Amino acid sequence: NAGVTQTPKFRVLKTGQSMTLLCAQDMNHEYMYWYRQDPGMGLRLIHYSVGEGTTAKGEVPDGYNVSRLKKQNFLLGLESAAPSQTSVYFCASRRGEGNQPQHFGDGTRLSIL
Amino acid sequence: GDSVTQMEGPVTLSEEAFLTINCTYTATGYPSLFWYVQYPGEGLQLLLKATKADDKGSNKGFEATYRKETTSFHLEKGSVQVSDSAVYFCALTFLDYKLSFGAGTTVTVRA
Repeated sequence: NAGVTQTPKFRVLKTGQSMTLLCAQDMNHEYMYWYRQDPGMGLRLIHYSVGEGTTAKGEVPDGYNVSRLKKQNFLLGLESAAPSQTSVYFCASRRGEGNQPQHFGDGTRLSIL
Repeated sequence: GDSVTQMEGPVTLSEEAFLTINCTYTATGYPSLFWYVQYPGEGLQLLLKATKADDKGSNKGFEATYRKETTSFHLEKGSVQVSDSAVYFCALTFLDYKLSFGAGTTVTVRA
């Protein structure tokens, strides 16, 4: 069972470059999420989606865009990377009904120089 | 808004010691509560959950009880092992389907 798969696992970018992080889940989950994890700050929600074709802003959406063209995929884009976006990014998904737990990928470690 | 406050770390213990990580929450209603664990280099895994007051979640020797009167969900384990070294996150979810996380507590268990 793959669960939630994130690609790439590591990436180094220069300031101003763009890139897309891919999240794929094979559990037919309705909801998907992107978080960033920074030391001492826990996980902060960037964007989330409650279904195919829908997206919404989380706590820290500035500088990021997302798309959910297919139910199983949730893409996170950085249009013009900044050093402040150096972080570990986690994708998660969950079933739609009830207060279900989220299932997480293994993360993408992104460094912006 | 909904929020979670958990005990700051890091916490360092000897093997077979008793572990407690405090977690309190603020919410307008009755959320579901979770403990997640993150082992080095990995994503978060659900450790246990409780969905209503007085529920006790348990897994891998860890326990936590949903206490409405004290708005708490403290994590406990009676005898820790080196393999329990990880970062532990308390979290809640409510009607908006988002998780609110605590800042995480790093636990190191020494042999």
